[in-house]
Amino acid sequence: ETGVTQSPTHLIKTRGQQVTLRCSSQSGHNTVSWYQQALGQGPQFIFQYYREEENGRGNFPPRFSGLQFPNYSSELNVNALELDDSALYLCASSLTAQMNTEAFFGQGTRLTVV
Amino acid sequence: AQSVTQLGSHVSVSEGALVLLRCNYSSSVPPYLFWYVQYPNQGLQLLLKYTTGATLVKGINGFEAEFKKSETSFHLTKPSAHMSDAAEYFCAVSRNRDDKIIFGKGTRLHILP
Repeated sequence: ETGVTQSPTHLIKTRGQQVTLRCSSQSGHNTVSWYQQALGQGPQFIFQYYREEENGRGNFPPRFSGLQFPNYSSELNVNALELDDSALYLCASSLTAQMNTEAFFGQGTRLTVV
Repeated sequence: AQSVTQLGSHVSVSEGALVLLRCNYSSSVPPYLFWYVQYPNQGLQLLLKYTTGATLVKGINGFEAEFKKSETSFHLTKPSAHMSDAAEYFCAVSRNRDDKIIFGKGTRLHILP
C-alpha cells in the first residue's frame, strides 16, 4: 500500500506565473484535501475534493483552483502567483469526506515565489 | 467561529521528563479535537483525536490528551520524553465531522539530553 505522494518536492516560481502541484492519494482513498502552511504557521485549509467534485473551500481567492481525477489523484493550481504564496503545500487523503476521518498527509511541496 | 491557541511556540524538556503541550480552543458547539505531529521535512501524522465519549484519549507513541470542556482545553501529555519526540506539534479543532479542520500555530518540542 503506497502512501500519499506529492510532486515536485521543491519549486521556485516568479511572481505572476502559474504553478501546478500534484498529489497521488493513498490506495482506496476517494478524498483529497489541500493545505497551505506558511513559515511558522499551522496548515490552513484550501479546499477538499471528494469523488472529483469540490467539497468545501477555505478562505482562499479563486486563483487557487483544483482538480481531482477518476483515480482520485489531484492537482492544485495557483494563478498569478504572489510573494505571499510562498509556503509548504500539503495534500492529505482520507477514506471519506468526513473531516474527523484520519487524513494521511504527503511530505508537501515547498513553493518559493520570487 | 472555531479557533485554537497553543501556548508556547517552543517547549524544551529533558529526556525522561514529562511532556506537556498546551492547547485551548474556542468553539460554539462541542468540538472535534486533534493533535498532529510533524517531523522535519515530513507531512503531518495524526497522534490522537477526540470526537465523543471518553474525555481521556490515548494516541500513538505514548501520548495522550484530555478534553476538559470547563477549561476549553485539550492538553497533550507524555509521561517520559524520548529524543525521537523532537518535532512540531499541532492542535486542531473542527465543529463536526463535515467541517474543515482549523489548526493552531504549532509548538516545537525540543528534547534535551
